[in-house]
Amino acid sequence: RKEVEQDPGPFNVPEGATVAFNCTYSNSASQSFFWYRQDCRKEPKLLMSVYSSGNEDGRFTAQLNRASQYISLLIRDSKLSDSATYLCVVTLYGGSQGNLIFGKGTKLSVKP
Amino acid sequence: SQTIHQWPATLVQPVGSPLSLECTVEGTSNPNLYWYRQAAGRGLQLLFYSVGIGQISSEVPQNLSASRPQDRQFILSSKKLLLSDSGFYLCAWSAPRGRITEAFFGQGTRLTVV
Repeated sequence: RKEVEQDPGPFNVPEGATVAFNCTYSNSASQSFFWYRQDCRKEPKLLMSVYSSGNEDGRFTAQLNRASQYISLLIRDSKLSDSATYLCVVTLYGGSQGNLIFGKGTKLSVKP
Repeated sequence: SQTIHQWPATLVQPVGSPLSLECTVEGTSNPNLYWYRQAAGRGLQLLFYSVGIGQISSEVPQNLSASRPQDRQFILSSKKLLLSDSGFYLCAWSAPRGRITEAFFGQGTRLTVV
């Protein structure tokens, strides 16, 4: 089982739609969780951290379920500019990959 | 504030030539440093990470090597490039061990081996 798994998509949605991405992680000792956004041919950039209580930043809502080892990202009222690949990231203190484990990303395409 | 610099942005190299990519971080001490490669349409592949000067861990066997001659400098090298080394190379840093925080990426180097 891969350490961090995401549905690769692509998710093709119309403007204004609500879209949700899911991510599962295998190591219950994982400590911190993030969503990154990567535009085509650019570096990944931090979108938001994910807290146990859930957190919201404008149209974006992130949720963490430690019991199910599951992270989600909800985007409301999708914009054309939301088109990108969304990477789920888990940190694991003392893990074999330093402390960062990336999912392979979910591609979102928002159409007019 | 912390910044990360990576250069060059684009590179075209012939097969068999050497490679040296450099990454420097400013505004922090003893960061964890990472080199990733991303092939076209693929996910991030961790190549090397370092928790301190001279401490390098390799994740994938290959003809690449990494060095950390200074606390905030991370270098990716190859003696002889292969066609399969083409890709988007990304340097990243995160807070030192004991502090779990997010990673920050440089702007990347797009390498084409011809």
